[in-house]
Amino acid sequence: EPEVTQTPSHQVTQMGQEVILRCVPISNHLYFYWYRQILGQKVEFLVSFYNNEISEKSEIFDDQFSVERPDGSNFTLKIRSTKLEDSAMYFCASSDRGDYGYTFGSGTRLTVV
Amino acid sequence: GESVGLHLPTLSVQEGDNSIINCAYSNSASDYFIWYKQESGKGPQFIIDIRSNMDKRQGQRVTVLLNKTVKHLSLQIAATQPGDSAVYFCAENENNDMRFGAGTRLTVKP
Repeated sequence: EPEVTQTPSHQVTQMGQEVILRCVPISNHLYFYWYRQILGQKVEFLVSFYNNEISEKSEIFDDQFSVERPDGSNFTLKIRSTKLEDSAMYFCASSDRGDYGYTFGSGTRLTVV
Repeated sequence: GESVGLHLPTLSVQEGDNSIINCAYSNSASDYFIWYKQESGKGPQFIIDIRSNMDKRQGQRVTVLLNKTVKHLSLQIAATQPGDSAVYFCAENENNDMRFGAGTRLTVKP
């Protein structure tokens, strides 16, 4: 069964440093998403991406965040200057239709120290 | 703002019993809903979905019920098994983006 692959599975970074979280969506999917989940809390929407541009973003997705699809297979989330409160699980998801159930990756656990 | 929420944060059931997990939503314009299962350390896994033109949909051992009048969604799991232990989230489609509720932790006792 096709999977969404995320790397790394765990990243530890110093506060103020930049991090890039990587995702390889399912190959024929056109819609891409990032979500985050702070430990013990609900999954929160960050951003959706379609046709090489952001289609929707939440209030969490401020100027510190950016997304990119640098080639035909990767989808990245960059956090420019990490804060302690950015510590969370970050999930990438993809969908072949914008209104259909997504396939999620296993997540990257980001720990900011 | 409008949001998706869950009635119960935890649910404990005996193996073999049926489980019912509830969810209330407040966005009356939502037309698509999904139940996700999240096991520890893993990403959300699609279980079953339903569109607003339906009030019931069945899968393998799972049934989703949608009551648009009271804006309520439920997930029924038949003959609950230990492998069903997880956190279950309902999510609604809002502007083509899925927004999640808070989650219910289901624990299955042997």
